[in-house]
Amino acid sequence: QKEVEQDPGPLSVPEGAIVSLNCTYSNSAFQYFMWYRQYSRKGPELLMYTYSSGNKEDGRFTAQVDKSSKYISLFIRDSQPSDSATYLCALCMNTGFQKLVFGTGTRLLVSP
Amino acid sequence: GAGVSQSPRYKVAKRGQDVALRCDPISGHVSLFWYQQALGQGPEFLTYFQNEAQLDKSGLPSDRFFAERPEGSVSTLKIQRTQQEDSAVYLCASSLGWTSEHPYEQYFGPGTRLTVT
Repeated sequence: QKEVEQDPGPLSVPEGAIVSLNCTYSNSAFQYFMWYRQYSRKGPELLMYTYSSGNKEDGRFTAQVDKSSKYISLFIRDSQPSDSATYLCALCMNTGFQKLVFGTGTRLLVSP
Repeated sequence: GAGVSQSPRYKVAKRGQDVALRCDPISGHVSLFWYQQALGQGPEFLTYFQNEAQLDKSGLPSDRFFAERPEGSVSTLKIQRTQQEDSAVYLCASSLGWTSEHPYEQYFGPGTRLTVT
């Protein structure tokens, strides 16, 4: 079993839809949670960063963390075709070594 | 400002050849990471530097993989005697490091796509 599980998709939605992307993890030592967006043939781009349970909002994006359930989510409101990309969750333990453990990534397709 | 840059962007190597992949981190970033991303997968950690010190190399898949960062800035990932299973995108990331307000924010380069034939 992988440390971080993420549905690879693809997830297809119409423009304007609310998108929900999720990851589950098994190790409670993970304390820092990030979402990256990766366009085809590009490097991952940091979208959201959080370290506590609850919600964090940034524009059309909301990151949600439930440490008790070991479940994290990214919501995208009013989705746009330009949001079509692969979304990767990345987790980090609270240690001096900062390596990220990534999910597989979910491919999102937003159609006009 | 300039982001993380990597070169070459694409590399084709014949099986058995040695390759060297370069990473230029964001200026002032103390921490540098290498990740390997196979097709359809998320990046997987290879190794981590804090300044010039390699503090974690637990993700390097074999002793054919070697990384260095001699002056605490530019880093090189070297793969000796390449094999077909080494074909992947190699990503470099940098961060401000442990003493910063957001030590876990890593910024990625575009990657080097390595194809071993």
